[in-house]
Amino acid sequence: QKEVEQNSGPLSVPEGAIASLNCTYSDRGSQSFFWYRQYSGKSPELIMFIYSNGDKEDGRFTAQLNKASQYVSLLIRDSQPSDSATYLCAVNSGEYGNKLVFGAGTILRVKS
Amino acid sequence: DAGVTQSPTHLIKTRGQHVTLRCSPISGHKSVSWYQQVLGQGPQFIFQYYEKEERGRGNFPDRFSARQFPNYSSELNVNALLLGDSALYLCASSRGTSGQNIQYFGAGTRLSVL
Repeated sequence: QKEVEQNSGPLSVPEGAIASLNCTYSDRGSQSFFWYRQYSGKSPELIMFIYSNGDKEDGRFTAQLNKASQYVSLLIRDSQPSDSATYLCAVNSGEYGNKLVFGAGTILRVKS
Repeated sequence: DAGVTQSPTHLIKTRGQHVTLRCSPISGHKSVSWYQQVLGQGPQFIFQYYEKEERGRGNFPDRFSARQFPNYSSELNVNALLLGDSALYLCASSRGTSGQNIQYFGAGTRLSVL
């Protein structure tokens, strides 16, 4: 079992729709959860982080965390073509909790 | 403020050679982490350094080594390069090392081993 699992996609949504990206993780000791966006040929860019169970909203983005189910999700409302990218879920791990373990990423395509 | 800076941006080496990649963290950040990203996969953790001390090591061979300098910049060294070392090498900086510290990535160094 991979430590962090994501559906590789591609996930295709029409412009203006809600995109829902999901991630599961195996380390029950993980306390911090991050979503990074990565455009082709570029480096990862942080878009959301969440530490507590529940929802966290920032603009068009909402992160949801359920530690009991070991599940993290990212909702993107009013999806735009510029949101087309790979979305990486990352979970902290390691002795000091300082190592980020990434999923393989979900490719999102927003069609105009 | 400048973000995380990495050099060089691109590098082409042949098998068996050695490479040194460099990273300067965001001002005020004392921790630097290195990741390797192979095409189609998420970044894989290689090392983390904080205050010049190694705070974590991923599942990479001893050919990979790193160090952090008093100004918090860092170098990643890879010896005896293999074709499989071709990847995007990412440096990330953070204020500290706890799990809640956010890691910010540089633009990366793309290494091609021929």
